[in-house]
Amino acid sequence: AQSVSQHNHHVILSEAASLELGCNYSYGGTVNLFWYVQYPGQHLQLLLKYFSGDPLVKGIKGFEAEFIKSKFSFNLRKPSVQWSDTAEYFCAVIHGSSNTGKLIFGQGTTLQVKP
Amino acid sequence: KAGVTQTPRYLIKTRGQQVTLSCSPISGHRSVSWYQQTPGQGLQFLFEYFSETQRNKGNFPGRFSGRQFSNSRSEMNVSTLELGDSALYLCASSPGTSSTTQYFGPGTRLTVL
Repeated sequence: AQSVSQHNHHVILSEAASLELGCNYSYGGTVNLFWYVQYPGQHLQLLLKYFSGDPLVKGIKGFEAEFIKSKFSFNLRKPSVQWSDTAEYFCAVIHGSSNTGKLIFGQGTTLQVKP
Repeated sequence: KAGVTQTPRYLIKTRGQQVTLSCSPISGHRSVSWYQQTPGQGLQFLFEYFSETQRNKGNFPGRFSGRQFSNSRSEMNVSTLELGDSALYLCASSPGTSSTTQYFGPGTRLTVL
């Protein structure tokens, strides 16, 4: 079955530390890739997305992600985190062109940033 | 544009009852997808509707059903509720064509007692 794996379930960082969250997917064909964030008490918001083209994509709030096709990975990075980045982060994939509305999510990573 | 809206925001039901949740997509969006979010299973895809037709379906029992109206608004129904159906139900809308982004609503928190 198609799946998405996020390796870090709970990450604790101090402010100004660098962040990298891992995401791997199982499908070998065409994929659309996403990172969503859920701040406490808020709904899911899009951080960034990859459809095609430059594998290094930039999103909101200084986040970026790199698509490495050979590794089936789409890792999220931020050079310097802030306390306000405390949230849950979800990697999600759409596999193939016939599954346009079907996001497959990873289990999520809870990020806690200490001031 | 107004975002995705879901009603009601909170619901409490008892086992065996049925429930209907509603989702209004962003204006112009023709696709509505539904997801279930629980602490144990995370975010799981239920189904997607596009132009009033179910286009994709997840691995949920037949007690979970949905429909979409001509104005793209969608409803989700769960019959014969079980305790395990307690969850946050999220709706997302998108234009519905390939390589588009889904935008999520705030969700409906369903508690089954």
